[in-house]
Amino acid sequence: NAGVTQTPKFQVLKTGQSMTLQCAQDMNHEYMSWYRQDPGMGLRLIHYSVGAGITDQGEVPNGYNVSRSTTEDFPLRLLSAAPSQTSVYFCASRGQEKGATEAFFGQGTRLTVV
Amino acid sequence: GNSVTQMEGPVTLSEEAFLTINCTYTATGYPSLFWYVQYPGEGLQLLLKATKADDKGSNKGFEATYRKETTSFHLEKGSVQVSDSAVYFCALSDPNNAGNMLTFGGGTRLMVKP
Repeated sequence: NAGVTQTPKFQVLKTGQSMTLQCAQDMNHEYMSWYRQDPGMGLRLIHYSVGAGITDQGEVPNGYNVSRSTTEDFPLRLLSAAPSQTSVYFCASRGQEKGATEAFFGQGTRLTVV
Repeated sequence: GNSVTQMEGPVTLSEEAFLTINCTYTATGYPSLFWYVQYPGEGLQLLLKATKADDKGSNKGFEATYRKETTSFHLEKGSVQVSDSAVYFCALSDPNNAGNMLTFGGGTRLMVKP
């Protein structure tokens, strides 16, 4: 029962470096999303996808790119890391039924940009 | 737009005390409401949910009732345990929003002392 798997768990980047946060789910969920968690601000939506080949921006998309080539994978790319992107990142997936479908979260990636 | 407001923490209680964490929301449609819990070092897990007005969600001794007239979804537990120490997030999903993504409150840290 893997659920949602995120890698890496921890990462330190230098300002200006790029990297990709990986997210994979094995529940055949159509909906996937990326959130960042900052103290006192809860989770804010970065990007989301409602199916393979379809992505859209959330509340805080600047500095991040996503793609969804398969149902299972939804990587998040940081193009040129900035200290303001220091955060904990969570990937989530949920089924297609609208409304009350439970969202499943990965264990998170703690990113520090120095 | 949609928003969720919950009481700021930390909330510190003694074991067996009564817990209330307030949550109010603003939404354009008829959202579903959720409480998620995050234990240290882990991702978020669904604690309970409610899909329509006057529904009561319950799990592990926690309860919350969907109050449309006061736009609230307060979390309660009659007798907390040390193992309940965690961060609690109130969230909503609005079927009018593309992708039906979750909107989170800022989180409330609960600390239970023996």
